[in-house]
Amino acid sequence: EAEVAQSPRYKITEKSQAVAFWCDPISGHATLYWYRQILGQGPELLVQFQDESVVDDSQLPKDRFSAERLKGVDSTLKIQPAELGDSAMYLCASSHKGLAGAPTDTQYFGPGTRLTVL
Amino acid sequence: AQSVTQLGSHVSVSEGALVLLRCNYSSSVPPYLFWYVQYPNQGLQLLLKYTSAATLVKGINGFEAEFKKSETSFHLTKPSAHMSDAAEYFCAVSRRNSQGGKLIFGQGTELSVKP
Repeated sequence: EAEVAQSPRYKITEKSQAVAFWCDPISGHATLYWYRQILGQGPELLVQFQDESVVDDSQLPKDRFSAERLKGVDSTLKIQPAELGDSAMYLCASSHKGLAGAPTDTQYFGPGTRLTVL
Repeated sequence: AQSVTQLGSHVSVSEGALVLLRCNYSSSVPPYLFWYVQYPNQGLQLLLKYTSAATLVKGINGFEAEFKKSETSFHLTKPSAHMSDAAEYFCAVSRRNSQGGKLIFGQGTELSVKP
């Protein structure tokens, strides 16, 4: 069964350092999402890609966060500089592009990257 | 704006007992509704979804949920709890649009199952 891959699974860094997370969606999935899940809360969308284009980054802290999906396949989320409050699980998800050209509704999640900022 | 409220951050049941996890939603348009399960240090797995077909939705692992528009609810149930059901459960809502798919999650309910 195809899965969403993420790496690394765990990352410990010091504040003010740069970190990067990688996601490889299920093959053929046009839509890719990055969510942040703070401990004890539900995930919140950071950025959504349709192919290589960003369609929603309204909740992405753009002063320190960046995301790219250059070839419309895998994606990288970067934080520079990291702050203590960035400690969280970062989840990547992907979904099909439906017959009408819009994403279908089921999102498949990867195992996540747990970030700890010291 | 859409939102989801999960009643009870922690639910504890005995093995073999009924599981009931509550979810209420707010949406100005017909929503799509989802239940996901998350095991420790893992991603989320879809249990079931409502997409405006049958109001009673059956999912994996014996779970089901009923969409009640009059009550704006989408509660998750399972007749008989198993130890392996212990996990975090998230209710989510989305609104389909041309770029679709954004999920808005509730705060989650941690389910404990006692032997």
